[in-house]
Formats: sequence, C-alpha cells, structure tokens
Amino acid sequence: QKEVEQNSGPLSVPEGAIASLNCTYSDRGSQSFFWYRQYSGKSPELIMFIYSNGDKEDGRFTAQLNKASQYVSLLIRDSQPSDSATYLCAVNTGGYQKVTFGIGTKLQVIP
Amino acid sequence: GAVVSQHPSWVICKSGTSVKIECRSLDFQATTMFWYRQFPKQSLMLMATSNEGSKATYEQGVEKDKFLINHASLTLSTLTVTSAHPEDSSFYICSASGQRISSYNSPLHFGNGTRLTVT
Repeated sequence: QKEVEQNSGPLSVPEGAIASLNCTYSDRGSQSFFWYRQYSGKSPELIMFIYSNGDKEDGRFTAQLNKASQYVSLLIRDSQPSDSATYLCAVNTGGYQKVTFGIGTKLQVIP
Repeated sequence: GAVVSQHPSWVICKSGTSVKIECRSLDFQATTMFWYRQFPKQSLMLMATSNEGSKATYEQGVEKDKFLINHASLTLSTLTVTSAHPEDSSFYICSASGQRISSYNSPLHFGNGTRLTVT
C-alpha cells in the first residue's frame, strides 16, 4: 500500500519563526509532490508543488524534495498567526492526477 | 481560472434518506472529476474517479451502489449518497481537472466541500 506519513502535531511555533513540516512517502516511483493548506471546516488549497530534487521557493514558503530519502518538507518563514492551519502533504501515486494524502500536520503560530 | 463550485456547502438529513451533492467546473471543461471523503482528524480519501460520459471508477472499499456518481456533462458531476446513515456523516470534497488546465502531475482543483450530517 502506498503511504504518505506526516506527524499530526500540533506543531507550535512563535510568530516570526520558521515552521518546518515534514513528510515521508513509500512509493519510490512517485514523481510529483504537493503541499496543501486546510483551514478547519474548509477545503484544501494548494500552497506548493515540487517535481525535482532540491528546493523550490515561493514567497515565504520553500518546498524541499529528496527522492533518495523519500522525503519532502515545507518551510514557512516569518510564520504568521494566519498560517495556523493543517498542512497536507500529497504525493502522486500513479494514475492521472491520482494522489495519496497524508493525515496532515496541524500548525499553530503563537502571537 | 480553474474554479470548482460545490453545492450544498452543508446538509443535514435523516437516516435512510438520499442526498445529492453537485460539483461544477465554472470556467473550464472538466473531463475528470474526483470525489474525496474526509472524516474528522483524518486524511482525504479518494472515493471514486469519474470521466465524462463514462462509469465512475470506485476505490476499494467504496460501495458503488451506495455512492452514485453521475458525470453526464463536462461541467457537472453529482454524488448521491443513498440511504444515508450516521456513519456516512463526513466532509465530501470534489476535484475537477480538464485537458486545457491539467496534466498528469498537475495539482488538484478542489471544490469548497460539503459537510454531510446524518441524524
């Protein structure tokens, strides 16, 4: 079974700090990786996607991918209280747009 | 672009009744739609994949006779929960993709979700 593992948290960081969210996956053949943010009671919204090894930056967000270690992470710099949400890691596990989601890590940014 | 509308946003129904949830692509033609279910504090689980004009493909463990999916047009897919029971209470989310806006590996475009409560 293809799995995506995340620590459910909560991860608490002070406002202005860097939040580091981690995800591991079991399928070595996975090619695309996504981070979604989900506020309570809401639908997920895309934060970042990454396909190649290394770092990808977009504003305060940086996605990091290491396919050899089957590890993908999301860094949030200068964390804000509005960043408090659950962050879902999703991995394409074969098939057209077929992804497996992790359980999500709940992030709490403390003012 | 790639706006997906889902309706209703929440619904309460009595046990044994059926509920229909609509998923519409507003600014693109959705050749494929995905239906997910999310129980509290759990991950999104794919229930089924539907292609316009074809029968839906259900994931293992999802009852196709209970969760009826219709994708009769390029802008609308419906999920009907038949004979709903309290254990069907969940957050149902659709996602749509189309040839002009999506590729094999591109991100999903989600609807706003439907909170179903069965009493």
